[in-house]
Order: sequence, then C-alpha cells, then structure tokens
Amino acid sequence: DVKVTQSSRYLVKRTGEKVFLECVQDMDHENMFWYRQDPGLGLRLIYFSYDVKMKEKGDIPEGYSVSREKKERFSLILESASTNQTSMYLCASKSPGGTEAFFGQGTRLTVV
Amino acid sequence: SQQGEEDPQALSIQEGENATMNCSYKTSINNLQWYRQNSGRGLVHLILIRSNEREKHSGRLRVTLDTSKKSSSLLITASRAADTASYFCATGANTGTASKLTFGTGTRLQVTL
Repeated sequence: DVKVTQSSRYLVKRTGEKVFLECVQDMDHENMFWYRQDPGLGLRLIYFSYDVKMKEKGDIPEGYSVSREKKERFSLILESASTNQTSMYLCASKSPGGTEAFFGQGTRLTVV
Repeated sequence: SQQGEEDPQALSIQEGENATMNCSYKTSINNLQWYRQNSGRGLVHLILIRSNEREKHSGRLRVTLDTSKKSSSLLITASRAADTASYFCATGANTGTASKLTFGTGTRLQVTL
C-alpha cells in the first residue's frame, strides 16, 4: 500500500518560530511537492523537487524554503513563521511524466 | 498563478442525480487529472486524461477534455451521499526539469438523501 506520510496532523507555533514540516514517501518517486490550501483559493504550489537536492519554486515560495537530502524525504521550512502562514499544508509525490500524485493526510498549521 | 479554475464553486444535488463540474485552464498541458478530497483530508486521484484524448470513463465517472477551449468536465452519474466531497482538477505540464502539477480552486459537492 503506497504511502505519503506527513509528520504532524496538527501543529501550533508562535510567530517568529522556525517551523519544519516533514514529508516521507515510500514509493521511490522522483517528484515531490508542497502545497498550501486555503478556503476559496484551492491548492497553491509552494515548492517542488524533481530529484535529490534539486528544487524549483512554485507559485508562492515567499517565506518558505525546502530541503531534499534523501529521495524519500521532502521538508518544508518556514524560516520565521507569520500568522498569514496559518493554513493546511499538503505534501504529494509522483513519478515523472503524466502520472497520478499521491498525497499525505495534510498538516493543519496554526501560527499564533 | 492558478492554472485551473473550477465551476461551479459549490453544487448541491439529490442522491441519484448526475453532477457535472467544469475546469478551465490557461496554458498548454500534457494531461489533466481530477482529484477528490474528503473534508480535512488529503487528495485522492480519480482519473487522468491525456492531451490527445477527448473522453475517458471510469466507473460512474466520465471526463471530457477540449484542448481548443482549454477546458474539461467531470460528470459523476447516479450520485450517492458518499460522493460528497471537494473535487479538484489538476493540470500536468513539463517545466523542462520536472513535471509540475497545478491545481484549481475546487468544486464542493453536496449530495443529499
């Protein structure tokens, strides 16, 4: 059974904290993605990675960075959390080309 | 910028009726996919249609793709209460280094008994 696992289901952090969201997949996929989901805005792509140590900015990368040191793990980093980063964060992985993506269960982050 | 825009934003129907959702996108694509999301959970893949295909079926799902109009539709026939969820279209395109997947804003479907 294929799996994408996000480290936390719910997270509460304080403004200014450095926040790490972790995502692990067990399907040996090259491509991994981080999205945030907000009401009325759908899913917006923050960053994606097409190989170990390789990354590309998505549509809303400001305030975020990513790390992919191993193929199975893709981390999203909020350098200095702000209240406008309160959101649902979704990680996904897929093989290259036209294939389906597999999603984690999501992390609901609240920044207070 | 958002690639896909779904229409309508919300849809309420009775069990047994058909549900149709539409998706429009802006640039060239390799494929278009539809996903389903139950409340507060991750997304689950439903169906993929390639840019050289016009129609595809899977069970009670029917997807059409019109690349000249840059639009797609998802039809769910004989809907059930368990179909209540949000539905998203996603377009796949090669960026040169990766296959990027861009989602739309979604349609919330409510199926009542």
